[in-house]
Order: sequence, then C-alpha cells, then structure tokens
Amino acid sequence: GDSVTQMEGPVTLSEEAFLTINCTYTATGYPSLFWYVQYPGEGLQLLLKATKADDKGSNKGFEATYRKETTSFHLEKGSVQVSDSAVYFCALTEIKAAGNKLTFGGGTRVLVKP
Amino acid sequence: KAGVTQTPRYLIKTRGQQVTLSCSPISGHRSVSWYQQTPGQGLQFLFEYFSETQRNKGNFPGRFSGRQFSNSRSEMNVSTLELGDSALYLCASSLYRGDRNEQFFGPGTRLTVL
Repeated sequence: GDSVTQMEGPVTLSEEAFLTINCTYTATGYPSLFWYVQYPGEGLQLLLKATKADDKGSNKGFEATYRKETTSFHLEKGSVQVSDSAVYFCALTEIKAAGNKLTFGGGTRVLVKP
Repeated sequence: KAGVTQTPRYLIKTRGQQVTLSCSPISGHRSVSWYQQTPGQGLQFLFEYFSETQRNKGNFPGRFSGRQFSNSRSEMNVSTLELGDSALYLCASSLYRGDRNEQFFGPGTRLTVL
C-alpha cells in the first residue's frame, strides 16, 4: 500500500536557521503531495501542496518540490522563527483511492529556540 | 467563513462504553473524512463520507462507524470502547472528492478511555 516516510524528530534549531525535513513516499499511482502543520492543541493546517512532478508548493516561506524520480517532497525554509515550532506532516492522496483519503508520515516535531 | 467544528472537544469514557463524536464541515463542503491520531500509530484514516454515503473506509474494526446527514454534518461512533481507542479524533471537510482537493481540519476531539 501507499506509505510516507519522514525524518524523525525532534529537530531543534535556532531562530533564523535553515530548516529541511525529508519526506519520501511509496505509491503505485501518481499521488498529490501535501505538507500539513499542527500547532499545539490544534488540528492540522495545510501548509502547501503539489499535484504533479516538478511542481513547487510554497507558503509562508516554506517550499517543497515534487520529485518523481526520487519519490521525494522535502520541506525547506530558509530562516525559521520561534512561531514555526510545530509538528509537520507529509502526506499524499492517490487518484486510485477515488476520494479524499490522506496517507500521512509519522510527523516531525520542530522546536525553534530564540 | 466558519471553519470545521468538532464537538465535544474533550471526552472521558470508561471501557465498554460507547461514544459519539460530531463534526460540522465548512458551509458548502460535502465531503467529511475522519482520522485517528495516536502517539504510537500516528494519523490513520478512518472513513470518508460524501453525499450521505460512506465512500472509503480505513482498516479499523467494526466498532468504529459513522454517518453523514443531509446537511453534511457527520458523526462517528465507537462502541465497546477499549483503552487503545484513546486518541485525538480529527475531522476534515472538503468541497469535492479527489486527490487534488484541499481538506480543512477541525481542532479534534480528544477521547480518553479509562
């Protein structure tokens, strides 16, 4: 079945540092890829998405590029802030699922220190 | 526009009891999906409803069930609760079905089974 693997956390950074969270996937079709963020005590918020190869999703300074050849969708941000402390989830949906089923990675906790 | 709302936000039950959780999607959204989030298993898809019909189901026992009403509001029910059912239950709504569709998550219902 489909699966998503992302780097385990926690990732601890200083403010203004560069952030990378690795995400790779396995899917039998041609999935759409997403990054969601979860702040403490809240639900998930869509951070960015990409629906085809070489698409770059971007939002709030975060970027991720859909790499079909390496089945990856790594999340990057050039200069993190304390407010970026959260848990980040990589996810996919696949056309053959014919619906809205999201398959998530295990999540990566990011802690940004002032 | 109001977001996805879930009630109650917190719930404490004992083993063997049953529980019903409610989700009100964003106005106009017709698809509602449910997810279970636990520290051990992460985020797992429970089921998806669209136009009052269950369209997709995850790998959960029959104790987990749901339904959707004509106004798109959805409920999920867990019967004969077990300790392992303690989790954050997240509901997500979207306009349509389909892999490229953005899903909006509610804040979740935290269920504790004693």
